[in-house]
Amino acid sequence: AQTVTQSQPEMSVQEAETVTLSCTYDTSESDYYLFWYKQPPSRQMILVIRQEAYKQQNATENRFSVNFQKAAKSFSLKISDSQLGDAAMYFCAYRSAWRTQGGSEKLVFGKGTKLTVNP
Amino acid sequence: AAGVIQSPRHLIKEKRETATLKCYPIPRHDTVYWYQQGPGQDPQFLISFYEKMQSDKGSIPDRFSAQQFSDYHSELNMSSLELGDSALYFCASIPTDTQYFGPGTRLTVL
Repeated sequence: AQTVTQSQPEMSVQEAETVTLSCTYDTSESDYYLFWYKQPPSRQMILVIRQEAYKQQNATENRFSVNFQKAAKSFSLKISDSQLGDAAMYFCAYRSAWRTQGGSEKLVFGKGTKLTVNP
Repeated sequence: AAGVIQSPRHLIKEKRETATLKCYPIPRHDTVYWYQQGPGQDPQFLISFYEKMQSDKGSIPDRFSAQQFSDYHSELNMSSLELGDSALYFCASIPTDTQYFGPGTRLTVL
């Protein structure tokens, strides 16, 4: 079974600075997807960024980017120019590429990292 | 764009009562995933449906059942509620390879 580990229960960053959230995962599959979801105090789950395992290029969405190291099974999230609105719980999640490997499309989540942004 | 709709948004029940949660996926999309998120925890997969058939099952108690209807909306039925069932219940829809979540139903069992 796949597992996702987020080793930083809490992180803090000054407004306008950069912060990196760590995520490692364990899988025997070669084809899969990785995601970062943000959960603000409203508790809505909001997709931040996604990465396909077969792509070597790291995904980027505006101020958010990932460092995907497939061999190391590492998937960190970098937030640049942090804003007060970035304060939230961040979850790293894994999903099999179901159609190619017969697995499940369910998401497996890490325990989350609570990010605080200081003004 | 239309998103995932869940109802009700909040629900308060007594122990041993029954609750029904509803999910309306992104229009014209046939896959629904249910997750349970306890206080301070990560979401845990319960059950999923594809084309009205159960496609996968997680750690869903026997007291819970779910189905997907012809219009693709899904209902999660929870019976003999326990205090530990108090949680946020999410429904997710997959228009592409990415799961988009509804706003959740916050269930409180007293």
